[in-house]
Amino acid sequence: GAGVSQSPRYKVAKRGQDVALRCDPISGHVSLFWYQQALGQGPEFLTYFQNEAQLDKSGLPSDRFFAERPEGSVSTLKIQRTQQEDSAVYLCASSLAAEHNEKLFFGSGTQLSVL
Amino acid sequence: GNSVTQMEGPVTLSEEAFLTINCTYTATGYPSLFWYVQYPGEGLQLLLKATKADDKGSNKGFEATYRKETTSFHLEKGSVQVSDSAVYFCALRRGNQGGKLIFGQGTELSVKP
Repeated sequence: GAGVSQSPRYKVAKRGQDVALRCDPISGHVSLFWYQQALGQGPEFLTYFQNEAQLDKSGLPSDRFFAERPEGSVSTLKIQRTQQEDSAVYLCASSLAAEHNEKLFFGSGTQLSVL
Repeated sequence: GNSVTQMEGPVTLSEEAFLTINCTYTATGYPSLFWYVQYPGEGLQLLLKATKADDKGSNKGFEATYRKETTSFHLEKGSVQVSDSAVYFCALRRGNQGGKLIFGQGTELSVKP
């Protein structure tokens, strides 16, 4: 596709359920990032992949959060035993290369609501 | 640690008014600085960037200058339009952190005709 695609667009989960959020980056993009955006706040970094390697997961808030990118393209963010505080928009972004001033392309996000 | 602070919104302006959205940062070393914009219902888009001190980023009539002495990167536009209504995010990025962005909290701009 032309841009970063995320699915589902909206997800409602009951507290304690597991969820999986998908990100399809722009084809050929090496770097992939996940961010969490709480209502009325700026996005906060969760984790970073360069190809299939997860180089930084310092932003994952707990061990209930897990991300993977097994073939260096599509990525999945999994949240186990969801809690109400996990409610947020989860953004995925990709860039062509790994340089620090490389432009990031963002998806529209998955809005997760935990009831 | 590294952080970004933006002026609080919402900011409401009339069409053709002058816009300033303040942004200051705290960081070690020499980060790159960015402004991203989020239009209603859309993903974040890069608006402009500056990668070193005294650089000026510009796009679509918006400008921001990287001021190391005041650790600021204020966004300006001389004449806003209704179509500029959006949320604006200032962000920094350090090269040795895998390129992750650190965002401010965002400033909502509403332009009235």
